[in-house]
Amino acid sequence: QKEVEQNSGPLSVPEGAIASLNCTYSDRGSQSFFWYRQYSGKSPELIMFIYSNGDKEDGRFTAQLNKASQYVSLLIRDSQPSDSATYLCAARRGSNYQLIWGAGTKLIIKP
Amino acid sequence: DTGVSQDPRHKITKRGQNVTFRCDPISEHNRLYWYRQTLGQGPEFLTYFQNEAQLEKSRLLSDRFSAERPKGSFSTLEIQRTEQGDSAMYLCASSGGQGTPSYEQYFGPGTRLTVT
Repeated sequence: QKEVEQNSGPLSVPEGAIASLNCTYSDRGSQSFFWYRQYSGKSPELIMFIYSNGDKEDGRFTAQLNKASQYVSLLIRDSQPSDSATYLCAARRGSNYQLIWGAGTKLIIKP
Repeated sequence: DTGVSQDPRHKITKRGQNVTFRCDPISEHNRLYWYRQTLGQGPEFLTYFQNEAQLEKSRLLSDRFSAERPKGSFSTLEIQRTEQGDSAMYLCASSGGQGTPSYEQYFGPGTRLTVT
């Protein structure tokens, strides 16, 4: 079992709908979680991070963390074709600065 | 531009040659990370520095790989005797200001290595 797991997709969502991306982690010592967007051939770009249980909103993006169930999700409202990319989830353990990465979910927004 | 920069952006080399990549982090960041990424995978951790000290190195990293950050600013990653399996995107990221526990990592554009 990988420490951070994501469905590889592709996840296809119509334009204007809500895209829901999920990530599960195995280490209960994980303290904080990060969502990155990566366009093909480009480097990862930080979208959001979340440290506490519950929801965190930033514009069209909402990150959700449930430590009891060990999952993190990212919701994208009013999806746009420009949101089409691979979304990477990463977890940080304890006081360690190293991030453990999932393999990413490919999201396709259909016009 | 005050983001992370990497040089070169692309490198094509023949098997057996040595290559060196450079990373300049965000100026106020004291932590610097090197990753390798292949198609369809998340970034694979290689090593990280806090200031000039190399604090962690992946067990997966062979002795052909070495990294330095001599003055706690820019860093170099060298791969000796390259193999075709080294072909990948090499990513550099930085995080953390002095005295802050900021964990968010910001990536440079990457160096794409092709070994022929």
